[in-house]
Amino acid sequence: KQEVTQIPAALSVPEGENLVLNCSFTDSAIYNLQWFRQDPGKGLTSLLLIQSSQREQTSGRLNASLDKSSGRSTLYIAASQPGDSATYLCAVNTGFQKLVFGTGTRLLVSP
Amino acid sequence: ETGVTQTPRHLVMGMTNKKSLKCEQHLGHNAMYWYKQSAKKPLELMFVYSLEERVENNSVPSRFSPECPNSSHLFLHLHTLQPEDSALYLCASSPGTSGNSYNEQFFGPGTRLTVL
Repeated sequence: KQEVTQIPAALSVPEGENLVLNCSFTDSAIYNLQWFRQDPGKGLTSLLLIQSSQREQTSGRLNASLDKSSGRSTLYIAASQPGDSATYLCAVNTGFQKLVFGTGTRLLVSP
Repeated sequence: ETGVTQTPRHLVMGMTNKKSLKCEQHLGHNAMYWYKQSAKKPLELMFVYSLEERVENNSVPSRFSPECPNSSHLFLHLHTLQPEDSALYLCASSPGTSGNSYNEQFFGPGTRLTVL
């Protein structure tokens, strides 16, 4: 059974820092991996999607990498801002768009 | 309206009530999903519909009954729920269900359900 773990569970940093969020999964047989952002009490916003054949994807200050063989992905956020404060979720697609989610990393960026 | 919308945004119901959650997507997608997000637990996939046909039922109790009358609308009918069913229920849609980059899932804002 696929399990997804995210470390750390919570992270607090001052504005301007570069930071890395980690995601690991137990079964490397995935189609793709998706990173989401969730603001309190709200739905999910898709940030980046990496296909299983890709190594990384970039969008603005965000860079996500994927090492499928070792079951790991990282989300790198450059020059963090208070507006980046949210919970970040990673999810792996195990087939037919069946996403298995991690429990998330709660990020707080202080001014 | 754009994207994925859900109504109501908040719902409080007793264990004997019957209510329905509604989801509508304005993206022209063919697949729709229901997820449950409980406190301190990962999001759990409940149901997947592709072209109005249910393709996944993730061992969900029968007190949750989905309905997909067309590719733009998805309902979750609720009856005789338990307090532990209190959660945020999220709807999502995607162009299709194959595992490629064109099938990214887009989520609605969710319905916060409280069962008394």
